[in-house]
Amino acid sequence: AQSVTQLDSQVPVFEEAPVELRCNYSSSVSVYLFWYVQYPNQGLQLLLKYLSGSTLVKGINGFEAEFNKSQTSFHLRKPSVHISDTAEYFCAVSDPYTGGFKTIFGAGTRLFVKA
Amino acid sequence: EPEVTQTPSHQVTQMGQEVILRCVPISNHLYFYWYRQILGQKVEFLVSFYNNEISEKSEIFDDQFSVERPDGSNFTLKIRSTKLEDSAMYFCASSDPFQDHATNEKLFFGSGTQLSVL
Repeated sequence: AQSVTQLDSQVPVFEEAPVELRCNYSSSVSVYLFWYVQYPNQGLQLLLKYLSGSTLVKGINGFEAEFNKSQTSFHLRKPSVHISDTAEYFCAVSDPYTGGFKTIFGAGTRLFVKA
Repeated sequence: EPEVTQTPSHQVTQMGQEVILRCVPISNHLYFYWYRQILGQKVEFLVSFYNNEISEKSEIFDDQFSVERPDGSNFTLKIRSTKLEDSAMYFCASSDPFQDHATNEKLFFGSGTQLSVL
């Protein structure tokens, strides 16, 4: 069965500093990987996704993530964060053979960006 | 960009009452989903729906829950007799199976309905 582990529940960081949000997954088959962002009082918004091909994927708002199959990781990074990046970030995985019938989410990482 | 619409944004109900949460998926999408997020916890899959029937459901989705697509646009989640532990944010999502040559790899989420059971 698929599962997603987000290793940090909260990440405080100063504005303009780099950040990495960690995500590990477990699956016995090929997977699609996603990062979603949830701003306060809003729904989930897709940040970026990995389906196949290049292991470095770029998303919106300057975020990028790298798929590492040997380490079963899909860490999210941004070289310089802004106050507006304060939000909850969810890593998610789905099985490309069953597709979006079920997407499994991690517990989330709350990113606090301080001035 | 087209969006998934959910109403109401916040619903308060008494324990034991029935509630219906409403969603209008993106018009050309064929797959529909409900997820929930209990405060401070992860987003959990409840059910997926395709071709007017449930495709998959989680263990959370017991006999108290049902889904329906009553017309060509709405997708509803009904909880027959609410319990305190049903209090959560409920997200509707839909997807397009023909996007990017892959099946269902992107879900479009609504902004959620916050259900409070008292």
